[in-house]
Amino acid sequence: DTAVSQTPKYLVTQMGNDKSIKCEQNLGHDTMYWYKQDSKKFLKIMFSYNNKELIINETVPNRFSPKSPDKAHLNLHINSLELGDSAVYFCASSAQGAGSSPLHFGNGTRLTVT
Amino acid sequence: KQEVTQIPAALSVPEGENLVLNCSFTDSAIYNLQWFRQDPGKGLTSLLLIQSSQREQTSGRLNASLDKSSGRSTLYIAASQPGDSATYLCAVPGGNEKLTFGTGTRLTIIP
Repeated sequence: DTAVSQTPKYLVTQMGNDKSIKCEQNLGHDTMYWYKQDSKKFLKIMFSYNNKELIINETVPNRFSPKSPDKAHLNLHINSLELGDSAVYFCASSAQGAGSSPLHFGNGTRLTVT
Repeated sequence: KQEVTQIPAALSVPEGENLVLNCSFTDSAIYNLQWFRQDPGKGLTSLLLIQSSQREQTSGRLNASLDKSSGRSTLYIAASQPGDSATYLCAVPGGNEKLTFGTGTRLTIIP
């Protein structure tokens, strides 16, 4: 039983395309996140949702749009992909906020833009 | 702005040895600190969450300590095993509960 699952695991696409990454958690958590890990392995938060409401929106280009249809799902849609978007994107969830309870991560989606 | 540093960036030790990983942070006004491990091609696995009111937290062979006043945390691994090889990251929450991650220490246990 995978706690936080994201699909696809790998995504290779050309510049200018639009793509989506899906994330689902079966832990009953209220809060979900998207993180980006760059080529130097540095992890940075992009978005945080609590019970379907946007809580954190870092300085991310508006080509990135998260969508939370319910509190168990947080999808990430990316428009007009650019080379610099290549990275590993991680979905995560926590019972309460990140400051209060441990985060549970998915296995990541490796996005390669050519 | 919170900055989290982990030194060294990489560490290799023979199997069976005890070892310590270090994490330092610039803003001591934190209310907890988390340690994670990341295996290649995988997500992060939460190891320990230590509250600011605690000085230590233990799970099996792992022991995390926290000294807020000095802005430091350590992760002690006893009797290391090859399966402990991974990248270890620490993270602290900031404003709006955003986690700031360290750059990680890549640990290799030599059989």
